[in-house]
Amino acid sequence: NAGVMQNPRHLVRRRGQEARLRCSPMKGHSHVYWYRQLPEEGLKFMVYLQKENIIDESGMPKERFSAEFPKEGPSILRIQQVVRGDSAAYFCASSSGQGGTEAFFGQGTRLTVV
Amino acid sequence: RKEVEQDPGPFNVPEGATVAFNCTYSNSASQSFFWYRQDCRKEPKLLMSVYSSGNEDGRFTAQLNRASQYISLLIRDSKLSDSATYLCVVRGRGGGATNKLIFGTGTLLAVQP
Repeated sequence: NAGVMQNPRHLVRRRGQEARLRCSPMKGHSHVYWYRQLPEEGLKFMVYLQKENIIDESGMPKERFSAEFPKEGPSILRIQQVVRGDSAAYFCASSSGQGGTEAFFGQGTRLTVV
Repeated sequence: RKEVEQDPGPFNVPEGATVAFNCTYSNSASQSFFWYRQDCRKEPKLLMSVYSSGNEDGRFTAQLNRASQYISLLIRDSKLSDSATYLCVVRGRGGGATNKLIFGTGTLLAVQP
């Protein structure tokens, strides 16, 4: 399966712990987007990355959240000191980045903070 | 004003009906447009891209009106399996921050037997 791979699919963390969400883009894709979806709500843009660069992080909370997309390996969304309000589905999408091309989504990571 | 606006619905229609969804976007520099479909608790899946000349894929027809900054999706002969949330997606001009995808909040379609 050459699709976008996210892991873990489900993640349970206690308040105050760290959550690391991983996303491997489709083969040949160098652009990654992260979105958050709360129950019964729409997709909210968080961050847009290209290999080794953050292009747009206007949707990222100022504290506790960070993202990276290293030259080698998956993109990582990191949430430090998680709180109950961080419980959500986090989706990653990838594209080749060229204008007009579609983006394809992974199956998401469902984070539950207890 | 939201960057991408959609009627949240729900649209409850009988099988076989024709249903149309509309979407407006605020950034006139937007260059690419898409419709995605999201089933409950699943990831969004690309339904179709939207081209300036309009395009059709089976029972689905998408149209773009750049002057009015308006996108539409028409579904003919609705099936039960069409029940889902339909997301309007807009991408800015290529390159840089404006290349990000902006999602509408989605329109919920429920096709009734």
